[in-house]
This record gives sequence, C-alpha cells and structure tokens, in this order.
Amino acid sequence: GQQLNQSPQSMFIQEGEDVSMNCTSSSIFNTWLWYKQDPGEGPVLLIALYKAGELTSNGRLTAQFGITRKDSFLNISASIPSDVGIYFCAGSRDNDMRFGAGTRLTVKP
Amino acid sequence: DAGVTQSPTHLIKTRGQQVTLRCSPISGHKSVSWYQQVLGQGPQFIFQYYEKEERGRGNFPDRFSARQFPNYSSELNVNALLLGDSALYLCASSFGTKRGYTFGSGTRLTVV
Repeated sequence: GQQLNQSPQSMFIQEGEDVSMNCTSSSIFNTWLWYKQDPGEGPVLLIALYKAGELTSNGRLTAQFGITRKDSFLNISASIPSDVGIYFCAGSRDNDMRFGAGTRLTVKP
Repeated sequence: DAGVTQSPTHLIKTRGQQVTLRCSPISGHKSVSWYQQVLGQGPQFIFQYYEKEERGRGNFPDRFSARQFPNYSSELNVNALLLGDSALYLCASSFGTKRGYTFGSGTRLTVV
C-alpha cells in the first residue's frame, strides 16, 4: 500500500490562484520528487529534491525537501488551465521509489 | 531524443494466461524500474534493475518477474494472470539508481 500521505486529495481553484499540496511519511527518504500525470500518459517529473532543506523552483513551481526528511511540499503560483492533472509526490530510499495517492487539480477559467 | 518506450500500449488477456511487457530506456540510462498503477491510485513499485541486476523488489507475488538485457532494455513477466492484475504498467529509466526517473506512457493490461 501507499506509504506516503498526500493531501489534499483534490483541489478546485480559479485560474490565477496559487496552489499548495504536501506529502508526509513516517519513514525517512533520501530523495523527494514531484510528478504530474495527464490521462493516458505516464508521470512526468516536475522537480527532484536531493538534500534535506533544499528549496527548488521550476518556473511557477516551487518544492521543498523537509528538514526531517519525512515531508515535502509543492507550490504552484498563478495557476493556468494547463496545470490541470494529477500531481504525485514520491519518496526514494535505497533502490525503490514510493508514491503518494495523488492530488487531483482542477483549474476553472 | 526518444523517451522511454513501452510495448504493447494495450493488451487484453484471459485469467490464467501469461504476459510479457517490454521497455526500452532512454539512451544512456542504465537503471530501469517497473510500476503497477491501478486506476485512481499512485504507482506501486514492482522491480528495479541496474546494470542487469535486480536491485529492488516491491511487495508483489512471485508470479511477477523481470529481467534486464545487455542493451539495458527490460521485460516484465506476469504468470497466472488474475483479474486484479488489470492495471497500467509503467516503466521508468534513470542514469543511476538515486536520481529522478523518466516514465514511459505505460502498457494498459486488461485481464478478463
């Protein structure tokens, strides 16, 4: 089963609003990653975080690797319609990667 | 550059049959991982291979097996298919084992 707790499960926002989602775990991870998945496609890597405390941006996306190594958040600023999709957090430790259950984002124009 | 390619894209099998799914990683990537994604859930880790050796295995029964070839491509085999094996099977590749993975579009397996 899922080892990562991702919240919220879904979000309905207006275009232009900022979005925040997070992921927590009872286990420590060495790497945190955020993916976006569109229908019928595989997940696409948005941001990868490799050090505790690391804050990384990719355009309008910003993500942070929690100091405890047990959590991460993703922020999306000034949302646009193409941000619609399912966002997954993933934690990597040793030789496997565990995914959260996803946050489904809907952006209303 | 070609991304991660998977074949076939869709597959329908009958309970009890066996299936083989194929994956070609991005050129230069030596690590391949397999995931099962059931509708409405996040991907579940099945296997990781690096330099043709199994480096990690998720909580899946022995009916699931995989291998990696000298050209770093990989196959996932599932024997004695069950209805519950119906899912999107994703392959992902990476240069090493500790970096972010690039996913293919998956193989949609339906067991009837």
